[in-house]
Amino acid sequence: QSALAQPASVSGSPGQSITISCTGTSSDVGGYKYVSWYQQHPGKAPKLMIYEVSNRPSGVSNRFSGSKSGNTASLTISGLQAEDEADYYCSSYTSSSTRVFGGGTKLTVL
Amino acid sequence: EVQLVESGGGLVQPGGSLRLSCAASGFTFSSYWMTWVRQAPGKGLEWVANIKEDGSEKYYVDSVKGRFTISRDNAKNSLYLQMNSLRAEDTAVYYCARGSSTWYAWGQGSLVTVSS
Repeated sequence: QSALAQPASVSGSPGQSITISCTGTSSDVGGYKYVSWYQQHPGKAPKLMIYEVSNRPSGVSNRFSGSKSGNTASLTISGLQAEDEADYYCSSYTSSSTRVFGGGTKLTVL
Repeated sequence: EVQLVESGGGLVQPGGSLRLSCAASGFTFSSYWMTWVRQAPGKGLEWVANIKEDGSEKYYVDSVKGRFTISRDNAKNSLYLQMNSLRAEDTAVYYCARGSSTWYAWGQGSLVTVSS
């Protein structure tokens, strides 16, 4: 049950696009469609941004998109805005019927 | 409006026990898997356990197996986490969340501090 691998930090300027990767194995990310992404601002509960690899919940900006290739899932945020600055976590179903999160990525909007 | 409200957190000595509760409202509680997720101070999210709608299936992260027990009372719209043999590394904010692998709704969290 090792955590999924995410970069510790990413940054971008307003208006730019950034991508956060989430790397696992064929026993989690690569083997199932149940990959989701969460945004967390300091002191707040996480918020669902993407579910089942690439689906956006109602109310989430279409600037957020998700994809997967092999054992790596990705979250792309286009048209960066100041309010996007937060921590981002991926999660996945695993072959043991457990779930696992990534280590988290701190997004800084320059 | 979907609401999840955790309670029961606090300061406990190593080796002690604590029971967290999560009161659910605004949705049909008995129709959803429920999950506990924790976050140690300054650290990332960690999935802890989940439970099927009828309580017939439960899964745990290895680090809490044999020490923590997840349960639910659908008549009371409540989720629980019984935590025994607590260790310093269990210190975290504990969130309850609705769902099995996709968590649309989260509580505000309950802080558990394990320290002497």
